[in-house]
Amino acid sequence: GAGVSQSPRYKVAKRGQDVALRCDPISGHVSLFWYQQALGQGPEFLTYFQNEAQLDKSGLPSDRFFAERPEGSVSTLKIQRTQQEDSAVYLCASSFREAAEAFFGQGTRLTVV
Amino acid sequence: QKEVEQNSGPLSVPEGAIASLNCTYSDRGSQSFFWYRQYSGKSPELIMFIYSNGDKEDGRFTAQLNKASQYVSLLIRDSQPSDSATYLCAVIGSGTGGFKTIFGAGTRLFVKA
Repeated sequence: GAGVSQSPRYKVAKRGQDVALRCDPISGHVSLFWYQQALGQGPEFLTYFQNEAQLDKSGLPSDRFFAERPEGSVSTLKIQRTQQEDSAVYLCASSFREAAEAFFGQGTRLTVV
Repeated sequence: QKEVEQNSGPLSVPEGAIASLNCTYSDRGSQSFFWYRQYSGKSPELIMFIYSNGDKEDGRFTAQLNKASQYVSLLIRDSQPSDSATYLCAVIGSGTGGFKTIFGAGTRLFVKA
């Protein structure tokens, strides 16, 4: 596609529910990043893939967060047993090679009630 | 100490003035530096990248990099009200797990008409 596509755009989850957020990167982009952005803050790094390999997951806040990119293209960020503090915008970005500029999707706004 | 630091602002400048945004980073091995603009409720949009010491100009924007001082800045000439947004500094370091992009918290810029 022409840009990074994320779905859903908005998600309301009841506390304790599992959610799955999808990211479809720009075609041919090998690097894929997930970020969490709270209101008034910059994007906080969660995890990073180079093709299908998850090279860094140091930013995942707890073991309730899990990300995968099994075929090196589409990625899914899964949050189990959601908590209110998980409410944020989740941003996905991709870049065509390592250490290159990243392009963002429109984000998924997750609200846990 | 955060890896990428920015003054949160808000920075307020009159229309037509030069806006100067600053950023410092902690990882001396960092190799790629980016400025993103983020309008309220939107995702970050890349406006400049710089890899080498010195200045890089693109239209009204100039990025400046000083690796010895671990400092990167963005100048916006002839500021317009449409430039009012949050400006995010982003840095790619040389972590052992690959090349993740780390963002600062952003500086809010207001351009007064």
